[in-house]
Amino acid sequence: SQTIHQWPATLVQPVGSPLSLECTVEGTSNPNLYWYRQAAGRGLQLLFYSVGIGQISSEVPQNLSASRPQDRQFILSSKKLLLSDSGFYLCAWSPGQGPFLGTEAFFGQGTRLTVV
Amino acid sequence: AQSVTQLDSQVPVFEEAPVELRCNYSSSVSVYLFWYVQYPNQGLQLLLKYLSGSTLVKGINGFEAEFNKSQTSFHLRKPSVHISDTAEYFCAVSPFYGGATNKLIFGTGTLLAVQP
Repeated sequence: SQTIHQWPATLVQPVGSPLSLECTVEGTSNPNLYWYRQAAGRGLQLLFYSVGIGQISSEVPQNLSASRPQDRQFILSSKKLLLSDSGFYLCAWSPGQGPFLGTEAFFGQGTRLTVV
Repeated sequence: AQSVTQLDSQVPVFEEAPVELRCNYSSSVSVYLFWYVQYPNQGLQLLLKYLSGSTLVKGINGFEAEFNKSQTSFHLRKPSVHISDTAEYFCAVSPFYGGATNKLIFGTGTLLAVQP
């Protein structure tokens, strides 16, 4: 069966410090991968999605970047965190392009990031 | 572009009462439709999805939703709620182009607050 791992669960970082959140998926290949951010009272905002290694689409301009160095690994980074980067970050995967229709997404448990 | 609107940010309801959570979407292409549930400090879990066929779809925990193409709606319903249904509910769409899908777009969420 497929599983998704996201860590750390919580993180407190000072303003101006770097960030690296990691997400890995097991039990599937060629998944679509996503990073979402959930700010208080604002729902889920799609930050990045990837359909393959090295292929990253950014949905909104921001202080963050994403990378996919391996098929089942997705990393969210920042060189210098801002206070506004605080939020709940969720990684997700869905089956890649192919005969499967209806991209149900499977979510990790999230990372609570507080920038102080 | 696609968008999802959940007009109700919070829905209070008494235990054993029926509930409807509203979702409307906008899209220039066909979409798949989903409802997800999020319990506090956790990732999202799929409740149900509409891909094609019968417009009434049944999901887990006694929830169901009806797709209305003319009104571009996908409202979620449950005939009798329990305290354990207290959570945030997200409506989402996935646009598809020629059979391939690679994005999930969420609404801002509705907090269902079940009171004894």
